[in-house]
Amino acid sequence: QKEVEQNSGPLSVPEGAIASLNCTYSDRGSQSFFWYRQYSGKSPELIMSIYSNGDKEDGRFTAQLNKASQYVSLLIRDSQPSDSATYLCAGKGEDSNYQLIWGAGTKLIIKP
Amino acid sequence: NAGVTQTPKFQVLKTGQSMTLQCAQDMNHNSMYWYRQDPGMGLRLIYYSASEGTTDKGEVPNGYNVSRLNKREFSLRLESAAPSQTSVYFCASSLQGVAQPQHFGDGTRLSIL
Repeated sequence: QKEVEQNSGPLSVPEGAIASLNCTYSDRGSQSFFWYRQYSGKSPELIMSIYSNGDKEDGRFTAQLNKASQYVSLLIRDSQPSDSATYLCAGKGEDSNYQLIWGAGTKLIIKP
Repeated sequence: NAGVTQTPKFQVLKTGQSMTLQCAQDMNHNSMYWYRQDPGMGLRLIYYSASEGTTDKGEVPNGYNVSRLNKREFSLRLESAAPSQTSVYFCASSLQGVAQPQHFGDGTRLSIL
């Protein structure tokens, strides 16, 4: 059973600090990873994708992929209350172009 | 600038009733997906359509059927609703496959009594 695991949280971070969200996966063949943000009662929206080992930065967001250790992380710098949401990690395995394996999400709370 | 539109937004059914959830996208995407989301669980893929004219089962297809009516529209049908199908249903689309960003509709909150 291929899995993506996330700590469900909630993760509480002071405003202005760095929020660090982590995700581990079981499928060594997974090639691509995605971080989606989901506000309460809303639909998921893509915030970052990462396809190769290392870091990828986009504004206040940095995604990190370590294929050897099978983990993916998302760092949010200068956290804002508007970053409070559930963050979903998803991975694409090598055997399917149309199915992602989703984590259950980590709830992030940014305290003013 | 609608993106992915789902109807209805809310629905309450009785066990055994049938209904169809509608989804349409205006982004000229080839691939479309139906997910369900339950508390404490990740999104689970019910069915997907890689391109117009094709549909395939996902992780949890039992109790559901789909129709890719044309490139824009992808519907999900519950033939005989069961309480276990109470969930939030999301339709999504992508240009081609899951390596491309998926764009989600607002969801349908479905309760089966």
